Order: sequence, then structure tokens, then C-alpha cells
Amino acid sequence: GESVGLHLPTLSVQEGDNSIINCAYSNSASDYFIWYKQESGKGPQFIIDIRSNMDKRQGQRVTVLLNKTVKHLSLQIAATQPGDSAVYFCAENKALPDSSYKLIFGSGTRLLVRP
Amino acid sequence: EAEVAQSPRYKITEKSQAVAFWCDPISGHATLYWYRQILGQGPELLVQFQDESVVDDSQLPKDRFSAERLKGVDSTLKIQPAELGDSAMYLCASSFGTSATNEKLFFGSGTQLSVL
Repeated sequence: GESVGLHLPTLSVQEGDNSIINCAYSNSASDYFIWYKQESGKGPQFIIDIRSNMDKRQGQRVTVLLNKTVKHLSLQIAATQPGDSAVYFCAENKALPDSSYKLIFGSGTRLLVRP
Repeated sequence: EAEVAQSPRYKITEKSQAVAFWCDPISGHATLYWYRQILGQGPELLVQFQDESVVDDSQLPKDRFSAERLKGVDSTLKIQPAELGDSAMYLCASSFGTSATNEKLFFGSGTQLSVL
């Protein structure tokens, strides 16, 4: 079935270190991917996105890498801060037969930042 | 910064009762989505509107769930009757373009439903 999954359910990092969160997707036809951050009791918050014509995109302290050959995404957070503690979801915008799109989420990775 | 508004923030109900959730998308956003998120999982799409029309409701349990967006702006999601398994976070999201536009979604803070 369709799926966007994550390799690690929980990642614990020391404050100041870099974090890397990984994600595998299954639909090779998908051409748009998004990372969301979700804090406890809140809705998902957009972090960064990438289209399939790129293999890297950088934001403020975050970088997303896309490897279409192995259908793999990663989110890198530089100098991780306590405020980065949250659940991170990758999401794949899947094209449907009627030309509409459906955003499919993975199950999430919890990032814990140790002081 | 414009946000997707949802209410209520929390809802506790007994099974077999009716519940309703409201969502006001970001002004000007044509497409509105309702997602359900079970604790520890990613959100799953229930229904998608473009303006006032339903684009996708294939995952909406239509025997008990209904959704409407009558004027193509705000939207209501209803459950009747509620069951224990409906306990979850109900998230509303919106996007500027149509359902055929490949773009990011903006989410509200959600309604946390507990069915007792």
C-alpha cells in the first residue's frame, strides 16, 4: 500500500549537536515533499519543502535532502535547540488519477533534545 | 500571520452523542482539508474540499461522519453517533490553490476529541 515511513521513532540529541531525521517514501511518481514539525497538543507546522527537480534545499538551520534513486528524504537540523523538541513528519504529495493531489504523512519521529 | 482557526479546542463526549467541529481556513484559500490524527501516528485525510465541492471523501466513514463547506469558506465536520474509536485529534488545513495544485498545507491547532 501507499506509505511514507520513518526509520527511527525516537531520536535523542545533545543540545548544540546536529540532528538528522530520515524518511523513506514508496511512490516514485511523487514530486513534492514536505517536512512538518508538531509540538504536543498543536497542529503540524510547516518547516521546509522540496520538489523532485532538486536534491537539496536549505532554510534557517534546516536542510532537506532528497535522494530519488532510493526514495529517501532527510531533514538536518543544525545546532539543535531545546525548542526543536517535537515530532517531525515527512509528507509526500501524491498525484491521483484525477490530477488532484493527496498529502500522505508518515508516522513521525520524536526528537528529544538533552540540555 | 494568518492562521487556520478551529473550535472547540477540546471536546469530551459520551458515545452515541453527536459532536461537531468548526474550521475557518486562511482567507483566500480555496482548498480545505479535514484530517484525523490518532496519538502516535501521522494525520490521515478524511475529506478534501475545493471551494464548496467535495474533492475526496474516500476515507470518510459516511455512516457516521459528515462534512460541509456550504459557502466555500468555513467548514463543519460532524460525527453522529460518536464511538469510542473516534477519540483522536481532528485537524483542519487549507491551501491557496486548487486540489490540482502541488503545494503545502497550513494546519490549525486541532480539536482533541475524547469519547467516553
